[in-house]
Amino acid sequence: QKEVEQNSGPLSVPEGAIASLNCTYSDRGSQSFFWYRQYSGKSPELIMSIYSNGDKEDGRFTAQLNKASQYVSLLIRDSQPSDSATYLCAVSGGSNYKLTFGKGTLLTVNP
Amino acid sequence: NAGVMQNPRHLVRRRGQEARLRCSPMKGHSHVYWYRQLPEEGLKFMVYLQKENIIDESGMPKERFSAEFPKEGPSILRIQQVVRGDSAAYFCASSPRDRDSYGYTFGSGTRLTVV
Repeated sequence: QKEVEQNSGPLSVPEGAIASLNCTYSDRGSQSFFWYRQYSGKSPELIMSIYSNGDKEDGRFTAQLNKASQYVSLLIRDSQPSDSATYLCAVSGGSNYKLTFGKGTLLTVNP
Repeated sequence: NAGVMQNPRHLVRRRGQEARLRCSPMKGHSHVYWYRQLPEEGLKFMVYLQKENIIDESGMPKERFSAEFPKEGPSILRIQQVVRGDSAAYFCASSPRDRDSYGYTFGSGTRLTVV
């Protein structure tokens, strides 16, 4: 059974701080890794994708991948109250179309 | 270019009724994926369809659930004889090519409530 694990939170950070979200996965054959943001009652929105070991930066977001440790993380710099949402980690393996999602981490950014 | 369109946004059904959820893919996309999000759960893959073909239905419950993507018109996820446990958000996504997992975009979802 392929699994993706995330801390459910809530993770609470003050405005302007760095929020760090973590995810581990069980399938060593996983090839593609994604972070989605989901506001309450809304659909998931893709914010980052990463395919190789190392860091990938996009604006205030940095995704980090360590395949040896089967670990993916998302850093949000200069956190804003509008970043308050549930962050979903998703992983795909050999059958590229099928994403396995974690249950998500609820992030709250306090003004 | 409109995104993935789902309707209805909210659907209320009594136990035992049928629910039909529709998904129109993005223009030019011929591959559709359905996911379900139960309360307090992550999204779970249900089915992958191409026009007139079911490619992978490994995530579909064995009974009462079916999906289709006809040559013309939207993809339909059909749930017969709904039960309270079917209450969830159902999301679809689309892609232009086969076996695409470059972080596809979800539609706005259908929130099904069974009373």
